[in-house]
Amino acid sequence: AQSVTQLGSHVSVSEGALVLLRCNYSSSVPPYLFWYVQYPNQGLQLLLKYTSAATLVKGINGFEAEFKKSETSFHLTKPSAHMSDAAEYFCAVSGTNDYKLSFGAGTTVTVRA
Amino acid sequence: SQTIHQWPATLVQPVGSPLSLECTVEGTSNPNLYWYRQAAGRGLQLLFYSVGIGQISSEVPQNLSASRPQDRQFILSSKKLLLSDSGFYLCAAHRLAEETQYFGPGTRLLVL
Repeated sequence: AQSVTQLGSHVSVSEGALVLLRCNYSSSVPPYLFWYVQYPNQGLQLLLKYTSAATLVKGINGFEAEFKKSETSFHLTKPSAHMSDAAEYFCAVSGTNDYKLSFGAGTTVTVRA
Repeated sequence: SQTIHQWPATLVQPVGSPLSLECTVEGTSNPNLYWYRQAAGRGLQLLFYSVGIGQISSEVPQNLSASRPQDRQFILSSKKLLLSDSGFYLCAAHRLAEETQYFGPGTRLLVL
């Protein structure tokens, strides 16, 4: 079974500041890990994924995440926040058989001008 | 490329009425399909998934059912809606070559 914990339900950052969203996972098998972003009243958009290749993964919109097996973490970062980054972010984990996703509770990001 | 359609986009239904939400997928064949629900304060919950026509797995006991009458069509239904069925319903399709699920635009359901 897999599960994900996202630390912090709300994060507020200033425009231009570092964005750091924390995600820790639990998995009995080598996991696939994902970050999705959701804008109000929209579906989920894939930001990036880890599927057992490079541990530092780059995604869209300047985001990146690093898979750290020793820490069971997959934190999401962006060096410089933009107003358009205001959204809800979900970390998710799946196994490699049925690909069912288990999501974290989500982190809402607010960007201050 | 793969496209996921969901309709309706929004729906307001009285308690006790039936429900039918539809999801169709273009640009891929024999995808794994998934229904998720996003309810206030409860995050994203997997409801059903399907690996092929007529094959449905239920993840949680509930008032809903799912069917897959065609390869790229996934339907979520209820005979009698409850207030607790309100939420944002998301359909997803797994793209095997990318080992990734992609999501449709969602249907917002309000049961009154």
